[in-house]
Amino acid sequence: DAKTTQPTSMDCAEGRAANLPCNHSTISGNEYVYWYRQIHSQGPQYIIHGLKNNETNEMASLIITEDRKSSTLILPHATLRDTAVYYCIVRRPHGSSNTGKLIFGQGTTLQVKP
Amino acid sequence: GAGVSQSPSNKVTEKGKDVELRCDPISGHTALYWYRQSLGQGLEFLIYFQGNSAPDKSGLPSDRFSAERTGGSVSTLTIQRTQQEDSAVYLCASSLFPGQGDPREQFFGPGTRLTVL
Repeated sequence: DAKTTQPTSMDCAEGRAANLPCNHSTISGNEYVYWYRQIHSQGPQYIIHGLKNNETNEMASLIITEDRKSSTLILPHATLRDTAVYYCIVRRPHGSSNTGKLIFGQGTTLQVKP
Repeated sequence: GAGVSQSPSNKVTEKGKDVELRCDPISGHTALYWYRQSLGQGLEFLIYFQGNSAPDKSGLPSDRFSAERTGGSVSTLTIQRTQQEDSAVYLCASSLFPGQGDPREQFFGPGTRLTVL
């Protein structure tokens, strides 16, 4: 699975949009981009995933560049409860040669400040 | 509905003792994963179950680590002769049976914090 690169940490003001970048320049055509987050002392939580098109759900939006070599997770109105470590993960869909396991990097620690 | 549950939430043991950690996945989820997170380290994959079989055990760090799953539901991770470097949070995750090309999300439990003295 392709390796991802994320900034170590970011700050965001409460109520503002948080834009978290991720580089995945070696991504393959069938690999998806996933975002998970881990709030302190909790297990990771799925946020969103996408392949080529931009995606939006109740938690966030995912913008994937046309060449798919990078993406941005957008939390439109960050709250203090969004303070967490955010992980960008690239992986192939589950199949005979892939178990669907997640390979986590160090992630981005997002601090939302009042 | 109930999420993934793990027990115990905390476990303190002495070096050399065996420990068992339990995971109850979401009902109907046939895929089950174990991960661990050491202090200051990222999350690392340990083992994957598809039903009761484990086609991927590549992340188990040594032969002191083993896991089983019965009835396609509950899983137990066993660590024999624990060492201080085994201290970590052990996380379990489950997902619906992944079909070919189907990128199912994983649901994580709260983890078991293991401390080996």
